[in-house]
Amino acid sequence: SQELEQSPQSLIVQEGKNLTINCTSSKTLYGLYWYKQKYGEGLIFLMMLQKGGEEKSHEKITAKLDEKKQQSSLHITASQPSHAGIYLCGAEMRNTGNQFYFGTGTSLTVIP
Amino acid sequence: SAVISQKPSRDICQRGTSLTIQCQVDSQVTMMFWYRQQPGQSLTLIATANQGSEATYESGFVIDKFPISRPNLTFSTLTVSNMSPEDSSIYLCSVVFGRTGYEQYFGPGTRLTVT
Repeated sequence: SQELEQSPQSLIVQEGKNLTINCTSSKTLYGLYWYKQKYGEGLIFLMMLQKGGEEKSHEKITAKLDEKKQQSSLHITASQPSHAGIYLCGAEMRNTGNQFYFGTGTSLTVIP
Repeated sequence: SAVISQKPSRDICQRGTSLTIQCQVDSQVTMMFWYRQQPGQSLTLIATANQGSEATYESGFVIDKFPISRPNLTFSTLTVSNMSPEDSSIYLCSVVFGRTGYEQYFGPGTRLTVT
C-alpha cells in the first residue's frame, strides 16, 4: 500500500491559473517535504513543514501542513511555464525508524 | 546547498553482471542515502550510508545484493550485483545537509536498464 497518497497524478493548467497539489497520509507525519523535479535534473528541495498548522511560502508557492499533521497541500499562485515539472511530497513518519516515504508525484504542465 | 554528481548517468547491462554507481558531493556530509525509483512507483529508500559505519539497509534490501561503500564524507558507491531485469530502475543518492539537518538534496540519478 502507498503510505503517501498524492493527488492529482497530473495537472495541465493555463498560465496564470492557480493550482493545488495534495499529499495525504494515514499516519502522523514527523516531517513533510516538498520537492520539484525537472527533466534531467535531480530532485530540488522546496520546503519542509514540521508543525501542525504550519505554512511556508517561497515566491509563488505556498505549502501547508494540517493541524493533525496528516495532510499537506502545495499551492501555486499565478502559474508560469517555469513551474512545470514533477512535484513530489516526502515524509518521515512516527514509529517507522528513519524510513522516508515519497508520494507518487504530480506532473504539472503549464500552457503559455 | 549541496551539489551532487552521479556516475554513470545511465547504463544498459546484461543479466547476471554487476554495476557500481558513484556518488560525489561537493561538501562534507554525514548522512547519505541511496534510493531506487522503479517505473510507476514512488522512490524507495535502499539504505543509509553514514561514514565510518556499516550501511543500514531497509526491509527488502540486503548487503549481498546492494553493497555500499562510504570511504569518506564526500563519496559513496552503490553496487547492484547479479542484476536481473527487475533491477531496472533509476538509482539516486541523496544527502541531508543544512543548518537544521533537514534539507535533503538528490543527485541526478543513474538510469539502469538490465537486459
